[in-house]
Amino acid sequence: GAVVSQHPSWVICKSGTSVKIECRSLDFQATTMFWYRQFPKQSLMLMATSNEGSKATYEQGVEKDKFLINHASLTLSTLTVTSAHPEDSSFYICSAERDRIYEQYFGPGTRLTVT
Amino acid sequence: TQLLEQSPQFLSIQEGENLTVYCNSSSVFSSLQWYRQEPGEGPVLLVTVVTGGEVKKLKRLTFQFGDARKDSSLHITAAQPGDTGLYLCAGAGDAGNMLTFGGGTRLMVKP
Repeated sequence: GAVVSQHPSWVICKSGTSVKIECRSLDFQATTMFWYRQFPKQSLMLMATSNEGSKATYEQGVEKDKFLINHASLTLSTLTVTSAHPEDSSFYICSAERDRIYEQYFGPGTRLTVT
Repeated sequence: TQLLEQSPQFLSIQEGENLTVYCNSSSVFSSLQWYRQEPGEGPVLLVTVVTGGEVKKLKRLTFQFGDARKDSSLHITAAQPGDTGLYLCAGAGDAGNMLTFGGGTRLMVKP
């Protein structure tokens, strides 16, 4: 298999606080993980590419100081939304690339609601 | 910038009908993947096509990669309510492993 987990599944936080989302590849090692954001009834929007042991590569328009990504090991990447605001409310999905064959396996997503 | 145009955006059909979803681009992709996503969940990989002209079948689903590797189609035969969901195509460029996603096709199959 190629299972990717995310934690938490959903989180509600107050404006101004920070939230950390974890993405784990459970049965394979992932040199590269990706973080996406998805708005209701829309497709996925790539936020950043996370590479183990190096800095993440952010897409244009994504604030790297607001969305902190750490890929500490071959099975774990974290996304921290700092000083969250209501407009950061969204569905955040991670994916992991297996075996460098350019297939991405997605986590179940994390629904973030900022009040 | 590589773009993938997916059509139709929405499709509502009766159980038993056939349908085709299209994914088109002016760019060449090294591979193209199809995913299905249900509400509140992450996308699930259905298939990857790599070779131009390639056809893959997954039960009632038939996937085709265009000869020039710029387009792809997903055909569902005798659709069932369980096929309801958001179908996404995504292409990988030669430059790397990043995926470009189409806008998605939201399919509803009525019993």
